[in-house]
This record gives sequence, C-alpha cells and structure tokens, in this order.
Amino acid sequence: EAEVAQSPRYKITEKSQAVAFWCDPISGHATLYWYRQILGQGPELLVQFQDESVVDDSQLPKDRFSAERLKGVDSTLKIQPAELGDSAMYLCASSPSGETQYFGPGTRLLVL
Amino acid sequence: GDSVTQMEGPVTLSEEAFLTINCTYTATGYPSLFWYVQYPGEGLQLLLKATKADDKGSNKGFEATYRKETTSFHLEKGSVQVSDSAVYFCALSDFGNEKLTFGTGTRLTIIP
Repeated sequence: EAEVAQSPRYKITEKSQAVAFWCDPISGHATLYWYRQILGQGPELLVQFQDESVVDDSQLPKDRFSAERLKGVDSTLKIQPAELGDSAMYLCASSPSGETQYFGPGTRLLVL
Repeated sequence: GDSVTQMEGPVTLSEEAFLTINCTYTATGYPSLFWYVQYPGEGLQLLLKATKADDKGSNKGFEATYRKETTSFHLEKGSVQVSDSAVYFCALSDFGNEKLTFGTGTRLTIIP
C-alpha cells in the first residue's frame, strides 16, 4: 500500500538555526498539505499545494516559514530562523484531489 | 468560521467496554466529517468518514453517524480492545474546500 513519506522523523535544533523537512506524497496525488500539530492539540493547516501551485498559505508564518513543491511532486518545508515555539510535529498529507487526505508519519521538531 | 468540538479526555476504559467519544461541529456549508486515529509516535490514519446527513461511516468495529439536526458525529464502538488505545481526532472539510479542521483530540486508554 502506497504511503506518504517524510524525513527526517526527528529533528533537534537550536533556536535561530535553519531546518528543513521533506515530504514525498503518494504517487499521482495532486494535492499536498503541510500541517503543524502542537502537543495536545489537533493539526492546523500551514500550506496547501495543488500540483506546484500554492492554494492556501494563509496560516503560514511567512516571515520565517517557506514551502515549495517545484515539480509538483515532493515538497520541502523550511523554517529560518527556528524559534522555541516552533517545537511541534510537522505532518504532510496528500490527496488525489478530493476529500480524503492520507498522512505521513510526521517530523517531530524540538527547538532548544 | 468552521470549528470542531470534541469530548475532552483522557478517557480510560476496561477491555470490552462500550465506547462513545462525542464530537460536534460548526460549519457554514455542508461539510464532510471524519474520524482520524493517531497511534503513539505515528501520523494520522483515516478511521472513517461520512459525506452527507444520515450517512454512517464504519471501520474496524467503529461507527459514527452524521447528524445534521444536532451537528454531531459521535464515535462509537461496542467492545474496545487494548489495541484501540490511541488519540482520536474528529475533523471536517467544508464543501468545496479540502482543508481539514480538526478537534483537539481525545486520548483513549484501554486497560486489560
């Protein structure tokens, strides 16, 4: 069964450093999402791509966060500089353009 | 805006007990409703969904019925197992918008 891949699974960094997360969606899925899940809360959408285009980035803190999906396949989410409050689980999901989203295992980020 | 309110946890039950996790929603349109499950250290897995009023979603012994009149989508299972221990998230996506809005999650622990 095809799955969404994410790496790294865990990342520890110091504040003010740059971090990057990678996501490879299920093959053929046109829509890709990045969510942030703070401990004890539900995921919140950061950015949504349709192919290589951004559909919704209204909740993305654009002063420090950036996301790209250059060829409409895999995607990278970057934080620069990282802050203590960025410690969270970062989840990637994909869908074949429809309702059901399939989630990857996530990247757990700890900022010290 | 759209929102999802979940029964607060944690919830602890004995094996073979009956489970109900309450979920109510607020949406401007005609949402689709979902239950996702998150096992320790993993991403979210779709458990079940319903796309219109009176639909019943079911999977692995879990059920939830889309009740438009009470704006609810309560999760039920007749006899829980230790392996059901996880965090359960109720979510919605509004018609024409694939973005998922999640509740805060309910942690379920099943004791043998």
